[in-house]
Amino acid sequence: EAGVVQSPRYKIIEKKQPVAFWCNPISGHNTLYWYLQNLGQGPELLIRYENEEAVDDSQLPKDRFSAERLKGVDSTLKIQPAELGDSAVYLCASSASGTSGGTGELFFGEGSRLTVL
Amino acid sequence: AQSVAQPEDQVNVAEGNPLTVKCTYSVSGNPYLFWYVQYPNRGLQFLLKYITGDNLVKGSYGFEAEFNKSQTSFHLKKPSALVSDSALYFCAVRDIDTGGFKTIFGAGTRLFVKA
Repeated sequence: EAGVVQSPRYKIIEKKQPVAFWCNPISGHNTLYWYLQNLGQGPELLIRYENEEAVDDSQLPKDRFSAERLKGVDSTLKIQPAELGDSAVYLCASSASGTSGGTGELFFGEGSRLTVL
Repeated sequence: AQSVAQPEDQVNVAEGNPLTVKCTYSVSGNPYLFWYVQYPNRGLQFLLKYITGDNLVKGSYGFEAEFNKSQTSFHLKKPSALVSDSALYFCAVRDIDTGGFKTIFGAGTRLFVKA
Protein backbone atom coordinates (compact mmCIF):
# COMPACT_ATOMS: atom_id res chain seq x y z
CA GLU A 1 0.00 0.00 0.00
CA ALA A 2 1.38 3.37 -1.00
CA GLY A 3 1.92 5.88 1.78
CA VAL A 4 1.16 9.58 1.90
CA VAL A 5 2.99 11.29 -0.94
CA GLN A 6 4.12 14.91 -0.76
CA SER A 7 5.91 17.13 -3.22
CA PRO A 8 8.20 18.89 -3.48
CA ARG A 9 10.47 17.59 -0.72
CA TYR A 10 12.47 20.80 -0.69
CA LYS A 11 11.70 24.31 -1.91
CA ILE A 12 13.78 27.45 -1.71
CA ILE A 13 12.16 30.75 -2.65
CA GLU A 14 12.64 34.42 -2.07
CA LYS A 15 10.27 36.30 0.20
CA LYS A 16 7.08 37.60 -1.40
CA GLN A 17 7.10 34.74 -3.93
CA PRO A 18 4.27 32.20 -4.03
CA VAL A 19 4.73 28.51 -3.26
CA ALA A 20 2.49 25.47 -3.41
CA PHE A 21 2.71 22.04 -1.83
CA TRP A 22 0.87 18.94 -2.96
CA CYS A 23 -0.28 15.93 -1.02
CA ASN A 24 -1.83 12.62 -2.05
CA PRO A 25 -3.18 10.71 0.95
CA ILE A 26 -3.45 6.98 1.43
CA SER A 27 -6.17 5.55 -0.75
CA GLY A 28 -9.50 5.46 1.06
CA HIS A 29 -8.50 7.88 3.80
CA ASN A 30 -11.23 10.47 4.10
CA THR A 31 -9.45 12.74 6.55
CA LEU A 32 -6.51 14.86 5.44
CA TYR A 33 -4.42 17.19 7.56
CA TRP A 34 -1.83 19.85 6.89
CA TYR A 35 0.57 20.48 9.75
CA LEU A 36 3.35 23.03 10.18
CA GLN A 37 6.50 21.86 11.93
CA ASN A 38 9.18 24.29 13.01
CA LEU A 39 12.65 22.96 13.72
CA GLY A 40 12.76 20.83 16.85
CA GLN A 41 9.08 21.37 17.62
CA GLY A 42 5.89 19.38 17.39
CA PRO A 43 3.54 19.60 14.44
CA GLU A 44 0.86 22.29 14.62
CA LEU A 45 -2.39 21.80 12.76
CA LEU A 46 -3.11 24.21 9.94
CA ILE A 47 -6.21 22.65 8.42
CA ARG A 48 -8.19 19.40 8.53
CA TYR A 49 -10.41 18.07 5.77
CA GLU A 50 -13.17 15.51 5.97
CA ASN A 51 -13.51 14.51 2.32
CA GLU A 52 -13.61 17.84 0.45
CA GLU A 53 -14.85 19.91 3.40
CA ALA A 54 -12.45 21.96 5.51
CA VAL A 55 -13.82 21.20 9.00
CA ASP A 56 -11.09 22.91 11.02
CA ASP A 57 -9.09 25.78 9.55
CA SER A 58 -8.97 27.94 12.66
CA GLN A 59 -5.14 27.94 12.72
CA LEU A 60 -4.66 28.69 9.03
CA PRO A 61 -3.39 32.26 8.44
CA LYS A 62 -5.96 33.07 5.82
CA ASP A 63 -4.39 36.32 4.69
CA ARG A 64 -1.60 34.42 2.94
CA PHE A 65 -2.36 30.72 3.22
CA SER A 66 -4.98 28.80 1.28
CA ALA A 67 -5.75 25.14 0.78
CA GLU A 68 -8.03 23.05 -1.32
CA ARG A 69 -9.13 19.45 -1.68
CA LEU A 70 -11.51 19.73 -4.57
CA LYS A 71 -12.35 16.08 -5.23
CA GLY A 72 -11.82 14.85 -1.69
CA VAL A 73 -8.58 13.07 -2.56
CA ASP A 74 -5.37 15.03 -3.10
CA SER A 75 -4.81 18.46 -1.65
CA THR A 76 -2.78 21.60 -2.29
CA LEU A 77 -1.52 24.11 0.27
CA LYS A 78 -0.51 27.51 -1.04
CA ILE A 79 1.33 30.44 0.46
CA GLN A 80 1.17 33.79 -1.28
CA PRO A 81 3.20 35.83 -0.59
CA ALA A 82 5.73 33.89 1.44
CA GLU A 83 7.47 35.55 4.39
CA LEU A 84 10.76 34.73 6.08
CA GLY A 85 8.89 33.27 9.06
CA ASP A 86 7.19 30.70 6.85
CA SER A 87 10.40 28.69 6.64
CA ALA A 88 9.42 25.34 8.12
CA VAL A 89 8.42 21.82 7.19
CA TYR A 90 4.88 21.36 5.95
CA LEU A 91 3.57 17.92 6.78
CA CYS A 92 0.58 16.25 5.24
CA ALA A 93 -1.15 13.38 7.01
CA SER A 94 -4.20 11.25 6.46
CA SER A 95 -6.31 8.95 8.55
CA ALA A 96 -9.17 6.58 8.02
CA SER A 97 -11.17 8.11 10.83
CA GLY A 98 -13.55 10.95 10.66
CA THR A 99 -16.97 11.79 11.96
CA SER A 100 -17.77 8.08 11.63
CA GLY A 101 -15.10 7.19 14.20
CA GLY A 102 -12.00 5.03 13.86
CA THR A 103 -8.79 4.38 15.70
CA GLY A 104 -7.38 7.75 14.80
CA GLU A 105 -3.68 7.24 14.11
CA LEU A 106 -2.26 9.54 11.48
CA PHE A 107 -0.10 8.49 8.58
CA PHE A 108 2.37 11.19 7.58
CA GLY A 109 4.16 12.04 4.39
CA GLU A 110 7.85 12.88 4.48
CA GLY A 111 7.15 16.60 4.44
CA SER A 112 7.99 19.58 2.29
CA ARG A 113 10.79 21.70 3.66
CA LEU A 114 10.40 25.37 2.76
CA THR A 115 13.21 27.87 2.97
CA VAL A 116 12.32 31.52 2.40
CA LEU A 117 15.28 33.79 1.70
CA ALA B 1 -8.63 22.86 26.03
CA GLN B 2 -6.51 19.91 25.10
CA SER B 3 -2.81 19.96 25.86
CA VAL B 4 0.14 17.62 25.85
CA ALA B 5 3.33 18.13 27.83
CA GLN B 6 6.64 16.42 27.31
CA PRO B 7 8.71 17.74 30.21
CA GLU B 8 12.10 16.61 28.90
CA ASP B 9 13.64 18.19 25.82
CA GLN B 10 16.21 15.42 25.70
CA VAL B 11 16.75 11.99 27.21
CA ASN B 12 20.16 10.32 27.21
CA VAL B 13 20.53 6.61 27.83
CA ALA B 14 23.20 4.00 27.28
CA GLU B 15 22.57 1.18 24.86
CA GLY B 16 21.09 -1.83 26.62
CA ASN B 17 19.61 0.23 29.44
CA PRO B 18 15.88 0.81 29.86
CA LEU B 19 14.47 4.08 28.61
CA THR B 20 11.47 6.20 29.54
CA VAL B 21 10.13 9.22 27.69
CA LYS B 22 7.54 11.11 29.69
CA CYS B 23 4.20 12.54 28.58
CA THR B 24 1.29 14.09 30.44
CA TYR B 25 -1.95 15.29 28.93
CA SER B 26 -5.06 17.30 29.61
CA VAL B 27 -8.37 16.74 27.83
CA SER B 28 -12.01 17.35 28.58
CA GLY B 29 -13.14 13.79 28.06
CA ASN B 30 -11.67 10.37 27.45
CA PRO B 31 -8.63 10.58 25.22
CA TYR B 32 -7.02 8.50 22.58
CA LEU B 33 -3.24 8.67 23.21
CA PHE B 34 -0.45 8.12 20.74
CA TRP B 35 3.30 8.03 20.37
CA TYR B 36 5.05 8.88 17.13
CA VAL B 37 8.73 8.79 16.19
CA GLN B 38 10.52 11.05 13.72
CA TYR B 39 13.88 10.27 12.18
CA PRO B 40 15.94 13.07 10.58
CA ASN B 41 14.38 14.57 7.46
CA ARG B 42 11.42 12.18 7.62
CA GLY B 43 7.78 12.43 8.50
CA LEU B 44 6.34 11.10 11.74
CA GLN B 45 5.77 7.37 12.12
CA PHE B 46 3.11 5.89 14.36
CA LEU B 47 4.49 3.75 17.22
CA LEU B 48 1.56 2.84 19.42
CA LYS B 49 -1.75 3.99 20.82
CA TYR B 50 -4.03 3.66 23.81
CA ILE B 51 -7.74 3.53 23.11
CA THR B 52 -9.22 1.55 25.97
CA GLY B 53 -8.58 -1.60 27.97
CA ASP B 54 -5.19 -2.71 29.29
CA ASN B 55 -3.17 0.22 30.57
CA LEU B 56 0.04 -1.22 29.12
CA VAL B 57 0.10 -1.09 25.34
CA LYS B 58 2.76 -2.56 23.10
CA GLY B 59 3.85 -1.11 19.80
CA SER B 60 6.47 -1.17 17.11
CA TYR B 61 10.22 -1.78 17.60
CA GLY B 62 9.79 -3.16 21.13
CA PHE B 63 8.29 0.02 22.55
CA GLU B 64 5.48 0.05 25.06
CA ALA B 65 3.58 2.74 26.94
CA GLU B 66 1.72 2.85 30.20
CA PHE B 67 -1.53 4.78 30.53
CA ASN B 68 -2.18 6.19 34.00
CA LYS B 69 -5.53 7.94 34.22
CA SER B 70 -5.08 9.29 37.76
CA GLN B 71 -1.77 10.90 36.84
CA THR B 72 -2.92 11.78 33.30
CA SER B 73 0.28 10.30 31.96
CA PHE B 74 1.27 8.12 29.04
CA HIS B 75 4.98 7.41 29.34
CA LEU B 76 6.85 5.62 26.56
CA LYS B 77 9.17 2.83 27.63
CA LYS B 78 11.55 0.25 26.25
CA PRO B 79 13.34 -2.39 28.33
CA SER B 80 16.61 -2.26 26.38
CA ALA B 81 17.55 0.74 24.25
CA LEU B 82 19.29 0.50 20.88
CA VAL B 83 21.48 3.12 19.22
CA SER B 84 19.01 3.02 16.33
CA ASP B 85 16.27 4.25 18.70
CA SER B 86 17.89 7.69 18.67
CA ALA B 87 15.25 10.00 17.23
CA LEU B 88 12.63 12.60 18.10
CA TYR B 89 9.58 11.26 19.92
CA PHE B 90 6.19 12.93 20.03
CA CYS B 91 3.30 12.22 22.33
CA ALA B 92 -0.14 13.11 20.97
CA VAL B 93 -3.70 13.16 22.22
CA ARG B 94 -6.81 12.85 20.13
CA ASP B 95 -9.89 14.23 21.82
CA ILE B 96 -12.97 12.29 20.79
CA ASP B 97 -15.61 13.49 23.17
CA THR B 98 -15.92 16.96 21.71
CA GLY B 99 -16.59 15.44 18.32
CA GLY B 100 -13.75 17.38 16.83
CA PHE B 101 -11.28 14.48 16.45
CA LYS B 102 -8.44 16.94 16.84
CA THR B 103 -4.93 15.55 17.34
CA ILE B 104 -2.59 17.70 19.42
CA PHE B 105 1.14 16.96 19.59
CA GLY B 106 3.63 17.62 22.33
CA ALA B 107 6.80 19.58 21.65
CA GLY B 108 8.84 16.42 21.34
CA THR B 109 11.66 14.71 23.25
CA ARG B 110 14.95 13.96 21.59
CA LEU B 111 16.31 10.56 22.58
CA PHE B 112 20.04 9.90 22.39
CA VAL B 113 21.18 6.33 22.87
CA LYS B 114 24.92 6.05 23.35
CA ALA B 115 26.80 2.91 22.35
